[in-house]
Amino acid sequence: DAGVTQSPTHLIKTRGQQVTLRCSPKSGHDTVSWYQQALGQGPQFIFQYYEEEERQRGNFPDRFSGHQFPNYSSELNVNALLLGDSALYLCASSPTDSGANVLTFGAGSRLTVL
Amino acid sequence: QKEVEQDPGPLSVPEGAIVSLNCTYSNSAFQYFMWYRQYSRKGPELLMYTYSSGNKEDGRFTAQVDKSSKYISLFIRDSQPSDSATYLCATYSGGGADGLTFGKGTHLIIQP
Repeated sequence: DAGVTQSPTHLIKTRGQQVTLRCSPKSGHDTVSWYQQALGQGPQFIFQYYEEEERQRGNFPDRFSGHQFPNYSSELNVNALLLGDSALYLCASSPTDSGANVLTFGAGSRLTVL
Repeated sequence: QKEVEQDPGPLSVPEGAIVSLNCTYSNSAFQYFMWYRQYSRKGPELLMYTYSSGNKEDGRFTAQVDKSSKYISLFIRDSQPSDSATYLCATYSGGGADGLTFGKGTHLIIQP
């Protein structure tokens, strides 16, 4: 079982650019969530996707958008990058019946904005 | 006031010691409580989760939740150098509400 896989692992962008991060959930999981983890902070919830729809969203601006595909994989898009968007972006997956929201995280994509 | 408070440390203890990690939270709607372990340059890994108040034990790890005082604890017995990591507490209200709410994490160092 490959678990949750994310790509790319590292990337560097400049202010104003756009970035797309990708995630494949753990086998058997159909719900994907995205979190942002700034240096020295805990992860912050961005949004959750289920059945190709955004189901829940945290306190993030519309510059952050996502997509879920029929095979349950997901993308996170961030437009008009700011220096403050530099962080580790974590994808997490869970099965539908995870009432406790028990998540399996990937290793993350580290984004640096210059 | 942040919803989940956690001392970032670092907390340094000798090998074999009992480690106590703690969080406090403010939202009484939280029903589920988790502990994640995060090694450097890795994603968080779920250690334990509990529902409502009480204790839960798994090997060397014990999680405690006291909802009356809004206090969450993780105890590690017979600590090993491989336990050195950042430990994140997380909470969730359940019922399709927002995602997990995390503390900042406590950086734990087990000295050989």
